[in-house]
Amino acid sequence: DTEVTQTPKHLVMGMTNKKSLKCEQHMGHRAMYWYKQKAKKPPELMFVYSYEKLSINESVPSRFSPECPNSSLLNLHLHALQPEDSALYLCASSQDLKLSGANVLTFGAGSRLTVL
Amino acid sequence: AQKVTQAQTEISVVEKEDVTLDCVYETRDTTYYLFWYKQPPSGELVFLIRRNSFDEQNEISGRYSWNFQKSTSSFNFTITASQVVDSAVYFCALRRSGGSNYKLTFGKGTLLTVNP
Repeated sequence: DTEVTQTPKHLVMGMTNKKSLKCEQHMGHRAMYWYKQKAKKPPELMFVYSYEKLSINESVPSRFSPECPNSSLLNLHLHALQPEDSALYLCASSQDLKLSGANVLTFGAGSRLTVL
Repeated sequence: AQKVTQAQTEISVVEKEDVTLDCVYETRDTTYYLFWYKQPPSGELVFLIRRNSFDEQNEISGRYSWNFQKSTSSFNFTITASQVVDSAVYFCALRRSGGSNYKLTFGKGTLLTVNP
């Protein structure tokens, strides 16, 4: 079983809907990430949280709104999405952003989003 | 700027064949980390190996082996006696050791299909 759990596994939403993706880890990791992955492409970084604070926003449109309620949870709130936002959204965690680049990212299985 | 090139987009082999996945990287950093991840159809990226730039020893783990050659900026991955379960997309990735090291630079991935 994966140590990073993402729900839901599949989500279909209309362009006017509001939905959320959820991510949970219990490894004591203090850095959490959202990635977006289109078909046949590598993952693209969206956001990074370090110690529950947003550290990095890779110029993501405001229709994506991340939230980190505590050290174990990471949410991605979705509103007024476009069909081109359909993708696999991957959550990941690592021990600590402040450590060296040796940090290994542990990924969840992803939430596959379809925007109609 | 960092770059990872996986020139092989798709590889198809028959079970029990050996297969090598190529990875070439570019970086101006003297210290960095290289990673391989496996992404099966289920979607989750599974960590396979991490190598730091000072450690050029080859590594073997069961049927998997990695050949790191700093002189040619390559970090190739070989699967010996491939199995159907090895079918997946394999990503090579690069990360800085210090400074703003939050970002993993991924290659475009190689889709490996192992046929029975």
